[in-house]
Amino acid sequence: AQSVTQLDSQVPVFEEAPVELRCNYSSSVSVYLFWYVQYPNQGLQLLLKYLSGSTLVKGINGFEAEFNKSQTSFHLRKPSVHISDTAEYFCAVSEGGSYIPTFGRGTSLIVHP
Amino acid sequence: DVKVTQSSRYLVKRTGEKVFLECVQDMDHENMFWYRQDPGLGLRLIYFSYDVKMKEKGDIPEGYSVSREKKERFSLILESASTNQTSMYLCATRKGVSITDTQYFGPGTRLTVL
Repeated sequence: AQSVTQLDSQVPVFEEAPVELRCNYSSSVSVYLFWYVQYPNQGLQLLLKYLSGSTLVKGINGFEAEFNKSQTSFHLRKPSVHISDTAEYFCAVSEGGSYIPTFGRGTSLIVHP
Repeated sequence: DVKVTQSSRYLVKRTGEKVFLECVQDMDHENMFWYRQDPGLGLRLIYFSYDVKMKEKGDIPEGYSVSREKKERFSLILESASTNQTSMYLCATRKGVSITDTQYFGPGTRLTVL
């Protein structure tokens, strides 16, 4: 069964600092990987996705993620965060083209001024 | 512009009540999903539907049922609400079967069962 682990439940960071949110998955077959963001009192919104090709994926709002097959990871990064990036971030995986993605438990990014 | 709406943002019900959560989309999407979101547990799939009148159980269907009589509307039903069903409920839609299609989420309904 596919599974995804977000290693940090909460990541505090100062404004304009870089940030990395970690995501690892367990699968020995091909995967599709996703990052979603949930701003306070809103639904989830797709940030970026890896389907195939280049392992470095760029998304909206200056975020990017790198697919590392040997490490089974898909970490999300941003070189300089803003207060407005404060939100919950979810990693999701679909294994072998599974119709339904599995979501991680979420990481709360808290950006301090 | 994509739009997924949920009938209520906040709902308070009593134990044993029958509860209906409604989700409506205006994108002509085939697939609709119901998730519940709990702190530390992320999103868990309750039910999904890939066509009108078609439904499939997700990971945690116990205590829930669904109805999809029209393409644009997907209802989640709690036959007899219990306190452990207090949660945030998120509806999502997707155009087709392919996982590569984007899922679009509604704003959520925060249900409290007393």
